[in-house]
Amino acid sequence: QSLLTQPPSASGTPGQRVTISCSGSTSNVGTNSVHWYQQIPGTAPKLLMYSNNQRPSGVPDRFSGSKSGTSASLAISGLQSEDEADYYCATWDDSLNGYVFGPGTEVTVL
Amino acid sequence: VQLLESGGGLVQPGGSLRLSCAASGFIFSNYAMTWVRQAPGKGLEWVSSISGSGDDTDYADSVKGRFTISRDNSKNTLYLQMSSLRAEDTALYYCAKLRAAIGTYFDYWGQGTLVTVSS
Repeated sequence: QSLLTQPPSASGTPGQRVTISCSGSTSNVGTNSVHWYQQIPGTAPKLLMYSNNQRPSGVPDRFSGSKSGTSASLAISGLQSEDEADYYCATWDDSLNGYVFGPGTEVTVL
Repeated sequence: VQLLESGGGLVQPGGSLRLSCAASGFIFSNYAMTWVRQAPGKGLEWVSSISGSGDDTDYADSVKGRFTISRDNSKNTLYLQMSSLRAEDTALYYCAKLRAAIGTYFDYWGQGTLVTVSS
């Protein structure tokens, strides 16, 4: 049972906006930065967003992140077929003294 | 940056295995490193992290006392010594580089090495 909560799935048609939530507690999301990883099936995870809302070089600006209190979210604007993947939020947990991942959200482009 | 894991394979319950992760393309000793695993069809699970010097380590409760993370900065290599293996340790094990110290994000990942625990 993960300490972070994500919806198991999300979907949209090409061009639509999809938002994925990540809910935690004061010991993790409420205190530390949230990061997002994208995993295309059959491949290794890749850093998609760091420090709540920072995009690594090469990540399209249609991906955006935010955090408020003990919740964070990832938004994909202008959804494209190549965005079909699993998306995981992650952060450090001060009580566990370790990292926690959300259970992942599978994004489907209809 | 390149991270290449090796050492995975089939091992019996109760057995041991040592994973390696050869790193290149960055000053290895300057960065903390981590192991993350993914059971078949499941999500990502953090396993362990180690500081750049090797002095500080952290472990998930699920592996504490059974797994040992270490590094050889002269060989640019990260290790994970796994013992008392259980069926639930079956997973694809990824090594990843941290942006800086333990607590920061994972900015590069390897392709993983598969560990199967079965009799």
